[in-house]
Amino acid sequence: ETGVTQTPRHLVMGMTNKKSLKCEQHLGHNAMYWYKQSAKKPLELMFVYSLEERVENNSVPSRFSPECPNSSHLFLHLHTLQPEDSALYLCASSQDRGGTGSPLHFGNGTRLTVT
Amino acid sequence: QKEVEQNSGPLSVPEGAIASLNCTYSDRGSQSFFWYRQYSGKSPELIMSIYSNGDKEDGRFTAQLNKASQYVSLLIRDSQPSDSATYLCAVNLRSSASKIIFGSGTRLSIRP
Repeated sequence: ETGVTQTPRHLVMGMTNKKSLKCEQHLGHNAMYWYKQSAKKPLELMFVYSLEERVENNSVPSRFSPECPNSSHLFLHLHTLQPEDSALYLCASSQDRGGTGSPLHFGNGTRLTVT
Repeated sequence: QKEVEQNSGPLSVPEGAIASLNCTYSDRGSQSFFWYRQYSGKSPELIMSIYSNGDKEDGRFTAQLNKASQYVSLLIRDSQPSDSATYLCAVNLRSSASKIIFGSGTRLSIRP
């Protein structure tokens, strides 16, 4: 496996379900990200794990919960989602050198539909 | 004011011409600037990164950065139909280098 791998590619869940999205990077990077992409909206930064810090967008609802057990793996735990949470969820990684942003390498995304 | 602004387009350019894509940003302390291309149904892929004022060329692509004007642009020379995609401008925030914020993208269409 190379690059950034996300599973599953597609997910349909009800509002009362609990599910998790998984991301794995094989690039040796030290930072991982979750972005949300909704139709006709910019990519929205949700969470960053970089140099063992966690940075989060304060506007992200608590029904989204990230977990980063190591620099290669990232999860997004989902519970009691709303239909407006339906979107493409993109994982990315980068080599954070501190002080200067580095290019992101994206996975193929998980298309989430909440019914 | 949006943190990163782009004209949503669509921008229509004839094949072989130069396509010019523009982006402005609000955080004067930003240091890193990126252009991504995103085909419909696919994830964004990096085209160019630029960190210093001036021009940076890579093949048919040239990124231009003017920090005083808080402006970054992408020129695509000899445009090809395969360049038809949405182009995303991304900028890091001064408050956290890891916070990379995207514009809403410009849809580019190259007409044969």
